[in-house]
Amino acid sequence: NAGVTQTPKFRVLKTGQSMTLLCAQDMNHEYMYWYRQDPGMGLRLIHYSVGEGTTAKGEVPDGYNVSRLKKQNFLLGLESAAPSQTSVYFCASRTGGYSNQPQHFGDGTRLSIL
Amino acid sequence: GESVGLHLPTLSVQEGDNSIINCAYSNSASDYFIWYKQESGKGPQFIIDIRSNMDKRQGQRVTVLLNKTVKHLSLQIAATQPGDSAVYFCAENTNNQGGKLIFGQGTELSVKP
Repeated sequence: NAGVTQTPKFRVLKTGQSMTLLCAQDMNHEYMYWYRQDPGMGLRLIHYSVGEGTTAKGEVPDGYNVSRLKKQNFLLGLESAAPSQTSVYFCASRTGGYSNQPQHFGDGTRLSIL
Repeated sequence: GESVGLHLPTLSVQEGDNSIINCAYSNSASDYFIWYKQESGKGPQFIIDIRSNMDKRQGQRVTVLLNKTVKHLSLQIAATQPGDSAVYFCAENTNNQGGKLIFGQGTELSVKP
């Protein structure tokens, strides 16, 4: 059971380039999330999805887009990368509803924008 | 504003001692709290959780205490081991934005042999 898998693990981009981060979960979870983690800070929510075909903005959505075409996958896109988007990106998933279940995290994608 | 903060950014303990990591939260409407452990180069790993209708919950070597009166959480680790060295985050579930978790800054636990 792989849990939450993120690809790639590392990436270096130039300002203005675009890329997509992939998150896959094999736990049949309804809810999926993208967070970013910056040095000395906790995780901040970028976008989230409460089910296949749905997405919504979190607290820091600017500069990012997401898609949830399949239940097991949640994609995070950067259309025009900026140095301020240098960060570690974590994907998480959990069961749906207000069941107060923990979110389970992948091991992150380390992204540097030059 | 929203915040979940930790009183101590770093904590150094001797192997075998007990560790206590503290956390203050600000949203009195939060009803679910989680402690995560994050090792270098890894994602946050679930340790233990607690619902707001409880004030204590125990796991294997870990205990979480919740004091809703003063909006305070603590994580107690018994007989701390070198493998416990990591950054520990508390997080609160606001039931907003799909169950967004608000994370604290984190406390780095260092265990000396």
